[in-house]
This record gives sequence, structure tokens and C-alpha cells, in this order.
Amino acid sequence: EIVMTQSPVTLSVSPGERATLSCRASQSIGSNLAWFQQKPGQAPSLLIYGASIRATGIPARFSGSGSGTEFTLTISVQQSEDFAVYHCQQYHNWPLTFGGGTKVEIK
Amino acid sequence: EVKLVESGGGVVQPGGSLRLSCAASGFTFSTYSMTWVRQAPGKGLEWVSYIGSRSRTIYYSDSVKGRFSISRDNAKNSLYLQMNSLRVEDTAVYYCARDSTFYCSRTSCFSDSWGQGTLVTVSS
Repeated sequence: EIVMTQSPVTLSVSPGERATLSCRASQSIGSNLAWFQQKPGQAPSLLIYGASIRATGIPARFSGSGSGTEFTLTISVQQSEDFAVYHCQQYHNWPLTFGGGTKVEIK
Repeated sequence: EVKLVESGGGVVQPGGSLRLSCAASGFTFSTYSMTWVRQAPGKGLEWVSYIGSRSRTIYYSDSVKGRFSISRDNAKNSLYLQMNSLRVEDTAVYYCARDSTFYCSRTSCFSDSWGQGTLVTVSS
């Protein structure tokens, strides 16, 4: 099983600042990585797939990078609606596995 | 608009059973693989089970293998999860999700649309 590790667990960011979230895979997954955003009481929603491709309707302030075992999600200018939990997921091999999530909170 | 609506959650005693349903609309259900993912209270996401578009390929996580059974009825645009021998640790919100048909790996894919989830509580 591929273990996904996200850091930090909690990230405190001021509105307008940049947020950088990390996700590490225990073995190479190529670019088979997705990022999801989850707001309180809501289902996850797809942000990024293929490690760097924004899903339909996702603003350009969200960007993904990385390949192999190291991945990053960057929110260039944090907006109030971006405070949420972010999950990474590998879909390289079965079983599909998620990271533990990073909560982005208001500083 | 893609819509996925889960139902069937509730409170059940350890050892009991529940059947979750997911009603799909807004897309051609029979051409998409589907997935169940769960989230225990205050915890992260955990993939549970996968079923191919024609039910020929099915996978389960080790944590539910032998106890849960995934199925679908393409004529009714519905996905199901039969959960038997439930344990306290199965307590979670269960989401059904549609898998993408592009930018997949050689073996699997990410989910591009999710339902709102249904809560399953296993407690005595």
C-alpha cells in the first residue's frame, strides 16, 4: 500500500498571503495525484488532478506541482473561501490512498 | 449537472447490517466506474470500494473485504453498498463518487464528482 503523508497538519494563513501545502508518497506515483478541497459539513470537491491540472472551474490561484514522490499545492493569494481542509490522493495503484489532510485556517 | 444522492445510513448495532444506495443523475451512469469513500468523524478520507462500469471489476479495501459488497444497477442509475458484520470502527460518513474517464493511471482513476454523504453510526 502506498502511504501518503501531508504536511503540515494545520497551516495558519492570513487572507491575501500564499499557502503552500505538501504531500509525499511512500513510493513513486508518477503524476497520478489528485487534490481535493473539503469545507466543513460538505463533501470533498476535486481541485487538481494529474498533479498539476486544475479541474473545471477552479481558479488560477490554485496550482499543483511535483511528480514521483513529492507534491505541492499552492494557493497564491488566500481568499476567505479557501479556508478548508485539503486532501491529496494517489490513484497510481490499488488500494487508492489519501493523505491525512491539511487544515488551512485563518491566522 | 452531475448529481449523486446517498441514502440508507443510520444507527446500527455492532454485527448488524445496512445497505447504502446512491442515486445518480445528470450523466450516463452506465459508462462510469464508481467508488465509495468514507470519513470517520474528525478523520481523513478512506477509500472503501470500486466497481467498474459493467460490474466486471470490483475492489475492496482490506478493512472491509469479506464484509461489504458493492453493486450497481445501470438500469436504475444506482450504486449500492451492502455492509454486513458492522463494527464500531465502520462509523463514518459514506460518500459515493463518480470516477473520471480521462487522465487516469494504467490501473485506476480519481473521482471527479461526489455526493453529500450518508452517516453510518455503529453503536450499542
